[in-house]
Amino acid sequence: QLQLQESGPGLVKPSETLSLTCTVSGASISSSSYYWGWIRQPPGKGLQWIGSIDNSGGAYYNPSLKSRVTISVDTSNNQFSLKLGSVTAADTGLYYCARHDRRNWYLDPWGQGTLVTVSS
Amino acid sequence: QLVLTQSPSASASLGASVKLTCTLSSGHNSYAIAWHQQQPEKGPRFLMKVNSDGSHSKGDAIPDRFSGSSSGAERYLTISSLQSEDEADYYCQTWGTGMLLFGGGTKLTVL
Repeated sequence: QLQLQESGPGLVKPSETLSLTCTVSGASISSSSYYWGWIRQPPGKGLQWIGSIDNSGGAYYNPSLKSRVTISVDTSNNQFSLKLGSVTAADTGLYYCARHDRRNWYLDPWGQGTLVTVSS
Repeated sequence: QLVLTQSPSASASLGASVKLTCTLSSGHNSYAIAWHQQQPEKGPRFLMKVNSDGSHSKGDAIPDRFSGSSSGAERYLTISSLQSEDEADYYCQTWGTGMLLFGGGTKLTVL
């Protein structure tokens, strides 16, 4: 059964870089059929797509975040990672990883999410 | 510009049915969408993909009480025989060339 699990620091200082990793189990991240994505949710608000990456490192980003985001893939460890630079309090929230099909980008399954707070 | 619009809230009684709507912006009637459920204090769960012709394909272990349909630019999620655990936020999601976006979500209250 495919499972995704987010991990990383729960507290990040303003202006620093938020770094998270998603570990995939039950399937190989090397499959060319899928993209692996990051989504976030500010407290009490809706969902926002951050970006997605394929097994070869080809990535798409949300234009509103593109200047601060880097997503990378580590096929040897079956993981992919998110880096978000120059964070502010507005970047506080739950961060989810998920998989989507290469042709039809519906997200399934999702990880359980990890809370990141930006505060000094 | 591709936009998804959802009503912020909906309510229905225990055991009744409810139909949630997600509206695609003008010119995007052919787009498929996905519905996701987010129960309180939990991560989202994929419910189903709904195509423009009304056909839908559900995720693993999604009960038969959940169904999808379409009409023009509208995509629907119908939940029948409402149970208390159906009280949740429901998000629609679609995608275009190199991008993915969500509707604002509908908070469903089961009375």
